Amino acid sequence: EVQLVESGGGLVQPGGSLRLSCATSGFTFSGYWMHWVRQAPGKGLVWVSHISSDGTTTRYADAVKGRFTISRDNAKNTLHLQMNSLRADDTALYYCIRESSYAYGYWGQGAQVTVSS
Amino acid sequence: QSALTQPASVSGSLGQSITISCTGTSSDVGGYNYVSWYQQHPAKAPKLIIYDVTNRPSGVSNRFSGSKSGNTASLAISGLQAEDEADYYCSSYTSSGTWVFGGGTQLTVL
Repeated sequence: EVQLVESGGGLVQPGGSLRLSCATSGFTFSGYWMHWVRQAPGKGLVWVSHISSDGTTTRYADAVKGRFTISRDNAKNTLHLQMNSLRADDTALYYCIRESSYAYGYWGQGAQVTVSS
Repeated sequence: QSALTQPASVSGSLGQSITISCTGTSSDVGGYNYVSWYQQHPAKAPKLIIYDVTNRPSGVSNRFSGSKSGNTASLAISGLQAEDEADYYCSSYTSSGTWVFGGGTQLTVL
């Protein structure tokens, strides 16, 4: 059974940092591109970032470019999102997602990030 | 990276059919057959219901179907059931190598 379990969320002050992790199991992690998608309270889904299966290719949404860094550890089957210079509008539930054929077939339960003073 | 355009809400009666549109540009929806649709119930993670414009994952009801014409993709739901009441999102791959979602459509089953 495919499982994606996010951790590392919490409350942080504006300008602060957080590192999200996504522990995966039930599939060959190194064979899949992985994504982060976020959803602000009461709002829609927004794509944040993705990383290729071998970690050599990454892309970011304009809203987080230069502040967020996606990475992966294929030996530990884990995906990360380092978030720096956090702003109030980064407050959201962050989903870890496994991509297959340009679609998001498996989602984690989400990690809540709240940026507030 | 502008969001794809979806109607904010649609409604239909039990047993009826509805369609949700998703309008983008030639750089996303119109340029690739990589449009997918997701169903999200309150406080739940989204669920993939359509991928590659028209394909249904295993286990998804055949009451859900997808199509595309030009820069607009559509999700059709036939034989509306109470459990179909949810938010629906489209998504597309883009020419920038990124992904973009629609703003979401709230479906109300009357």
